[in-house]
Amino acid sequence: SQKIEQNSEALNIQEGKTATLTCNYTNYSPAYLQWYRQDPGRGPVFLLLIRENEKEKRKERLKVTFDTTLKQSLFHITASQPADSATYLCALDPNTGGFKTIFGAGTRLFVKA
Amino acid sequence: NAGVTQTPKFQVLKTGQSMTLQCAQDMNHEYMSWYRQDPGMGLRLIHYSVGAGITDQGEVPNGYNVSRSTTEDFPLRLLSAAPSQTSVYFCASSYGLAVPGEQYFGPGTRLTVT
Repeated sequence: SQKIEQNSEALNIQEGKTATLTCNYTNYSPAYLQWYRQDPGRGPVFLLLIRENEKEKRKERLKVTFDTTLKQSLFHITASQPADSATYLCALDPNTGGFKTIFGAGTRLFVKA
Repeated sequence: NAGVTQTPKFQVLKTGQSMTLQCAQDMNHEYMSWYRQDPGMGLRLIHYSVGAGITDQGEVPNGYNVSRSTTEDFPLRLLSAAPSQTSVYFCASSYGLAVPGEQYFGPGTRLTVT
């Protein structure tokens, strides 16, 4: 069956360290993969999109990698801050043109001061 | 820009009642979608629209109807509420093929069916 998996256990890290979140998928060949941030009681907010022909994408302290052979994306937050504490969602489009996005359940990140 | 707006923010229904969740966007986005989010599960697509007058089913469409008469509005109707529809509902919009992927979400509607 097709699925997209993120670590369901919360990730706890110390301020200033790099947080690394993992997204694995099976039986998809997505043209691109996305990462969203969701705060409690709020809707998801788009962060980054990486295409299948891109190995890595950066935006300020954020970095995303995409390995289509491993069927995995890694999401890194460098120099993490308590304000980065949130749930991070991985999402992909199974080649439907962008209107049938599949979301992972998310990984909760806690950054301690 | 207000972005994506949703009303109401909270709603309690009794089993069998019907209601409409409202969603509007002011970004002239082509695509609009409805998702539900349950604890421990990813957002699941209920219905989507690729333009005014065009809608289609997502992963979990049963018990819900949609219509899209204008670019801005995409209401979600619960026909006969059931406890299994207790969830948080999110509306989202995006530019469509011009800018694939990036979706803008509303603040959500928390629905409880008793």
